[in-house]
Amino acid sequence: QVQLVESGGGLVKAGGSLRLSCVASGFTFSDYYMSWIRQAPGKGLEWVSYISTSSSSTNYADSVKGRFTISRDDAKNSLYLQMNSLRAEDTAVYYCARDSGQQLGNWGQGTLVTVSS
Amino acid sequence: QSVLTQPPSASGTPGQRVTISCSGSSSNIGTNTVNWYQQLPGTAPKLLIYSNNQRPSGVPDRFSGSKSGTSASLAISGLQSEDEADYYCAAWDDSLTAWVFGGGTKLTVL
Repeated sequence: QVQLVESGGGLVKAGGSLRLSCVASGFTFSDYYMSWIRQAPGKGLEWVSYISTSSSSTNYADSVKGRFTISRDDAKNSLYLQMNSLRAEDTAVYYCARDSGQQLGNWGQGTLVTVSS
Repeated sequence: QSVLTQPPSASGTPGQRVTISCSGSSSNIGTNTVNWYQQLPGTAPKLLIYSNNQRPSGVPDRFSGSKSGTSASLAISGLQSEDEADYYCAAWDDSLTAWVFGGGTKLTVL
């Protein structure tokens, strides 16, 4: 079955950096776009970024553009999110999701990022 | 401010039918299909409805979706206590080239 497992979250000071990882299994990772979505405490869902197959295209929410970088390693079935210049408002649970283009069909359990000011 | 608009709350008694609306624009719901997610307390969102009205395997047929123009709806019939959760609509936005979500609707089973 499809499984997505995020890791790399933690407590970081404002201005710091963190790299999130998402390891996929149960499907041909290289065939799918992937996305990161976040959820601030007590708030709704916010799409953060996507990456296409072969890493040929990416896009970011305005709120993270220029600070976050999405990447993938198909040989390792892994998705990454490099987060730099972190702000208090980046505090959230970060989910990775399999993106079929029509839906974000499978989500991981999430990893919590806390940015202290 | 979310791109898609949902009511913040909804409620019903066991056995009732409730609907949750989701309003968007021509660049998202008007052009692309709508998905609905259920998020139980303390858990990750789960795909509930995709392509406007399709249920993934394992989702009870009590849940149904529909779309008309730039709006969509999620209906839950035969409401059960375990349906108490947050529900989100989502769609791809061609102008933003991004996934957009509704602000979420908290469903309370009275």
